Amino acid sequence: QKEVEQNSGPLSVPEGAIASLNCTYSDRVSQSFFWYRQYSGKSPELIMSIYSNGDKEDGRFTAQLNKASQYVSLLIRDSQPSDSATYLCAGGSSGTYKYIFGTGTRLKVLA
Amino acid sequence: GAGVSQSPSNKVTEKGKDVELRCDPISGHTALYWYRQSLGQGLEFLIYFQGNSAPDKSGLPSDRFSAERTGGSVSTLTIQRTQQEDSAVYLCASSPGQGWGNEKLFFGSGTQLSVL
Repeated sequence: QKEVEQNSGPLSVPEGAIASLNCTYSDRVSQSFFWYRQYSGKSPELIMSIYSNGDKEDGRFTAQLNKASQYVSLLIRDSQPSDSATYLCAGGSSGTYKYIFGTGTRLKVLA
Repeated sequence: GAGVSQSPSNKVTEKGKDVELRCDPISGHTALYWYRQSLGQGLEFLIYFQGNSAPDKSGLPSDRFSAERTGGSVSTLTIQRTQQEDSAVYLCASSPGQGWGNEKLFFGSGTQLSVL
């Protein structure tokens, strides 16, 4: 099992819909979790972090963490064409500063 | 500086040549990371530094790859005898270095390396 796994997509949603992005992780990744957004040809930028079980909301974004099932998700409400990007899930590796990234899910929001 | 700075932004080299990639992190950030991203792929961890020390070099693909950091600031990633499979975007990131695996990474704009 890869340490952090994501479906590569593309995930296509109509403008205004909810986009749901999912990520699963292995036992080696257990500290904290991050969602980065990467536009084509650009560097990743952090949009959400989550450390505890449950939901964390920030504007149109909600991150959900379920440690028992080892998954983390990102919901984007009222999706906009400008949300079209690749979303990278990352986890902190136990006992180190190392961050492990998934391969990313490409999101396309259709106008 | 205001952000993480990487140079050069693009590097084209011939197979077998050595290349040096530079990263200047955010001032005061003690943690520095190198990642590699191949076309359409995620980020592959290469190495991280805490100050001038590299506690984790586990991601370096081969002994052709090395990295150093001096003065707790600038870092250089060196690839010797480049191969075509080394072609990728090399991303540097820094973070304050105060927490175990729970810090935001600030990324530079990357170096696009093309080995012909």
